[in-house]
Amino acid sequence: EIVLTQSPATLSLSPGERATLFCRASQSVGSYLAWYQQKPGQAPRLLIYDASNRATGIPARFSGSGSGTDFTLTISSLEPEDFAVYFCQQRSNWPPYTFGQGTNLEIK
Amino acid sequence: QVQLVESGGGVVQPGGSLRLSCAASGFSFIGYGMHWVRQAPGKGLEWVAVIWYDGNIKYFTDSVKGRFSISRDNSKNTLYLEMSGLRPEDTAIYYCARDRMVWGVIGDFDYWGQGTLVTVSS
Repeated sequence: EIVLTQSPATLSLSPGERATLFCRASQSVGSYLAWYQQKPGQAPRLLIYDASNRATGIPARFSGSGSGTDFTLTISSLEPEDFAVYFCQQRSNWPPYTFGQGTNLEIK
Repeated sequence: QVQLVESGGGVVQPGGSLRLSCAASGFSFIGYGMHWVRQAPGKGLEWVAVIWYDGNIKYFTDSVKGRFSISRDNSKNTLYLEMSGLRPEDTAIYYCARDRMVWGVIGDFDYWGQGTLVTVSS
């Protein structure tokens, strides 16, 4: 089973700042990595698939990069609605599909 | 618009059974693989099971094999998760999620329901 490790666990930033979130895989997942956003009491929402492709309706301030074992989600300029928990997920080696433990992006 | 609405959650004793449903609308249900993903209270996400668009191929995470089954009724646009032998560690919000790929399964999830809470406790 592929283990995904996200860092940092918590990221405290202010609106307008740039956010950089990391996800490291225990073995290569190629480009088969997705990112999700989850707000309290809500279901997750797909942001990025295949490492760098924005899902339908996702603003351009969200971008993904990386391949192999190291991936990054960048939010170029934080909006108030971006403060949430972010999960990465791999689909390279399954079953099972696996998720990272999440990064909590909080307002500083 | 795409809508997924789960139901059937509740409180059940250890060893008990429960059937979850997920009613789909706003898209051609027959064309998409469907998944169940769960989230224990305050914890991360765990993929549970997938069923292909035609119902012929199914996979499960190891911890639920032999206890959970997944099925679908394409005539009713509904996905199911039959759970038996429930354990306290199965306590979670259960989400149904649509696979991103049409006529196949690619393994990421582009639409999610709001979830239904299953609590296993005596």
